[in-house]
Order: sequence, then C-alpha cells, then structure tokens
Amino acid sequence: SQKIEQNSEALNIQEGKTATLTCNYTNYSPAYLQWYRQDPGRGPVFLLLIRENEKEKRKERLKVTFDTTLKQSLFHITASQPADSATYLCALGADTGFQKLVFGTGTRLLVSP
Amino acid sequence: DVKVTQSSRYLVKRTGEKVFLECVQDMDHENMFWYRQDPGLGLRLIYFSYDVKMKEKGDIPEGYSVSREKKERFSLILESASTNQTSMYLCASSPPGTGTYEQYFGPGTRLTVT
Repeated sequence: SQKIEQNSEALNIQEGKTATLTCNYTNYSPAYLQWYRQDPGRGPVFLLLIRENEKEKRKERLKVTFDTTLKQSLFHITASQPADSATYLCALGADTGFQKLVFGTGTRLLVSP
Repeated sequence: DVKVTQSSRYLVKRTGEKVFLECVQDMDHENMFWYRQDPGLGLRLIYFSYDVKMKEKGDIPEGYSVSREKKERFSLILESASTNQTSMYLCASSPPGTGTYEQYFGPGTRLTVT
C-alpha cells in the first residue's frame, strides 16, 4: 500500500538557520508533490507544488526538491524565523483528474529565537 | 481570498446520534473533500465530490455519507456516531483542471463522541 513518511519527531532549530524537512514515499508514482503548513487548531495552508519532471522549486525563503529515483522530497526554509514554527505536511497527487491527495503525517518545526 | 467555512469549530455528540458537518466554499470550486485528521495518522480522505450530486469514496468511507446538493456546500453525515469517530474533521475545496492543484482548507471541526 502507499506509504508517505515524514519525521514524526519535532525539528528544533535556531533562528537564522536553514530548516530541512524530509518526505519519503513508497509504492507510489506521484505526478506532483505539495507542501502545506498547518498551525495548531487550523486547517493546512498550501505552500508549494513541484511536478515529477521538476528537480527544484523556490518561493521566497522556501525551496523544495523532488527526487523520483530516491522517492524523496526535501523542504528547506532558509533564514528561519520563530514565525515559521508550525507543522509541515507533504502531499502526493496523481494525474487522475480528481486531484486526490495522499498526505504524510507532518513534521513539527520549532524555531527558537 | 478563497474562504472555506465549517459549521462548527467544536462539537460534542453522544454515541448513536446522527451528526451533520457542513462545509461551504465561496470560490465556485468544483472539487470538495472531507478529511479526518488523527495524531500519528495524518489527514485521511473520507469522501470527495467533483460536481453537484457527484461523490466518490475516499480511503476511509465506512460509517460516513455525504451530500452535495449545491456547488458551494458539501455535507458530511455520520449516520450513527461512534467513539472511534472522535477526530478533527477538515473540509477542503479546489478548482478543476491543471494548475497547482492547491486545496483550500476550512478551520476544522473537532468532534467528540461520548
């Protein structure tokens, strides 16, 4: 069955450093991969999408890589700030036309001043 | 801005009760989704709809049904609530076609079944 793994342990880093979160998957061939941010008590908010034929995508301080050979995506936040503290979810989608997503369990990021 | 609203933030129901969770979006999106989110299990898709009166089962549809009578509204129904349906329920919508496939989420309803 499809499996998406994100580090269940919280990632603690200091302000100004680069945070790197990992998303690994098995038994799946996604057409695209998305990253969402979720704050406590709120719904997820879309951040970035990367397609299977793209190696890297950037948006401001965010960078996502996608390696379909390793079946892995890395999500980087550069110059991290305490306001970046949240849970980050990866989600995989196939080109089925229904835009169904399969979500990982998320990794909590804590950025300390 | 896209807005997805859910009828309640918190809900407490008794075992065996029929429960309705309502979701409304204001962006004329064709696709709407219902998820539940549990610690350690992440978001799991219950049902989705790609048009009015159309519905498709997600990964965990057992014990749930849905209704989509109008494009902007997607309802999740627990026919006979059970304690294992205690969870955070999230509704989402997305536009059709190619693009970012971004899903817009509501704030969630935390349902407790006692």
